[in-house]
Amino acid sequence: DAGVIQSPRHEVTEMGQEVTLRCKPISGHNSLFWYRQTMMRGLELLIYFNNNVPIDDSGMPEDRFSAKMPNASFSTLKIQPSEPRDSAVYFCASSLWGGGSNEQFFGPGTRLTVL
Amino acid sequence: DAKTTQPNSMESNEEEPVHLPCNHSTISGTDYIHWYRQLPSQGPEYVIHGLTSNVNNRMASLAIAEDRKSSTLILHRATLRDAAVYYCIRANSGNTPLVFGKGTRLSVIA
Repeated sequence: DAGVIQSPRHEVTEMGQEVTLRCKPISGHNSLFWYRQTMMRGLELLIYFNNNVPIDDSGMPEDRFSAKMPNASFSTLKIQPSEPRDSAVYFCASSLWGGGSNEQFFGPGTRLTVL
Repeated sequence: DAKTTQPNSMESNEEEPVHLPCNHSTISGTDYIHWYRQLPSQGPEYVIHGLTSNVNNRMASLAIAEDRKSSTLILHRATLRDAAVYYCIRANSGNTPLVFGKGTRLSVIA
């Protein structure tokens, strides 16, 4: 099993540009989570999906952020327009929803730098 | 709000046991206790979880207090590769997402 796959691993862009982060969850998992990690705020949940449906997007910081999950094997997190304060490591995680165990498997993350 | 309290940092000597404490005094009856760790430059990874009884797996042991208001993650023999940030998380059995706090940064000294 390849685990959760994220791309790109590193992204450097300029303020105002659109950024799209991609995630492929583990096959068979039905829940997907997007997190953001910064030194100041730690690891924050942005949004999560269950069976491709967004359940809670209250962690999405602004309307500049949007996430989609068109099918069970792919999700995107888009920032438009990007700002320097969006610089962070963005993690995608997936799990098999059910019971209390809900172990989450994290991808390697995308390190985003907005200049 | 992570709703758990952990020391900011701890230090251990290599090949010695490590006891990482976590306080969750407001835990509800349906909350599981999860431990994740994050190695440098990696995403968090699952370590262990439990509800009431002590749990063991190949990575660690989890000791849960009888009143469930605290728990301890036990690494039986710390290695340099165990140096990481360890997160103690409460997660409701209703499948709510994990909320990460600041965690405990464990340093292992050779």
